Amino acid sequence: DIQMTQAPSSLSTSVGDRVTITCRASQSIYSYLNWYQHKPGKAPKVLIYAASILQSGVPSRFSGSGSGTDFTLTISSLQPEDFATYYCQQTYSTPWTFGQGTKVEIE
Amino acid sequence: QVQLQESGPGLVKPSGTLSLTCAVSGASISSSNWWNWVRQPPGKGLEWIGQISHTGGTDYSPSLKGRVTMSLDKSKNQFSLRLTSVTAADTAVYYCARDTGTPSYFDYWGQGTLVTVSS
Repeated sequence: DIQMTQAPSSLSTSVGDRVTITCRASQSIYSYLNWYQHKPGKAPKVLIYAASILQSGVPSRFSGSGSGTDFTLTISSLQPEDFATYYCQQTYSTPWTFGQGTKVEIE
Repeated sequence: QVQLQESGPGLVKPSGTLSLTCAVSGASISSSNWWNWVRQPPGKGLEWIGQISHTGGTDYSPSLKGRVTMSLDKSKNQFSLRLTSVTAADTAVYYCARDTGTPSYFDYWGQGTLVTVSS
């Protein structure tokens, strides 16, 4: 199985801040990397797919980069509705695997 | 608008069988997609359970292989999950989700349903 490791596990930040979350794969997954936002009691929502493609309807403050084993999700200016847990997911080979999540909290 | 909705018992006894159904609206499960199950144990992250294709082909997580079965009901436009020999470790919120195909990502998810394994 491909292991996905996110950092940090949690972070406290403020509205307007720039947030960067990293995701590392245990082997190359080329660009088969997706990012999801998950709020309590809600369905996860895809933000970025194929490492850097913004899903339709997702605000442009979200961006993704990377390839191979190292990836980054960036929120350029955090908004109140962005406080949530973020997961990366590899879809290079099954079993699809997720990172352990990064909880973005209000400072 | 594509919608997915999970349903099934919220409480299952240890050693019993967990059975859930995902009803799909706004899309046909006979289309060229894979239909997935994902779970989230309390306080933990997301875990992929497996997927079933529109033709009925399946791919399960090795960690659950032998206990999991997925099936399609095209007449009702829904797909199902069956997990046998459950233990407390199977307590989780279970989500169904649609995989777009190529590139692969989950574009639509159900709201999730909590299944508790307890006597």
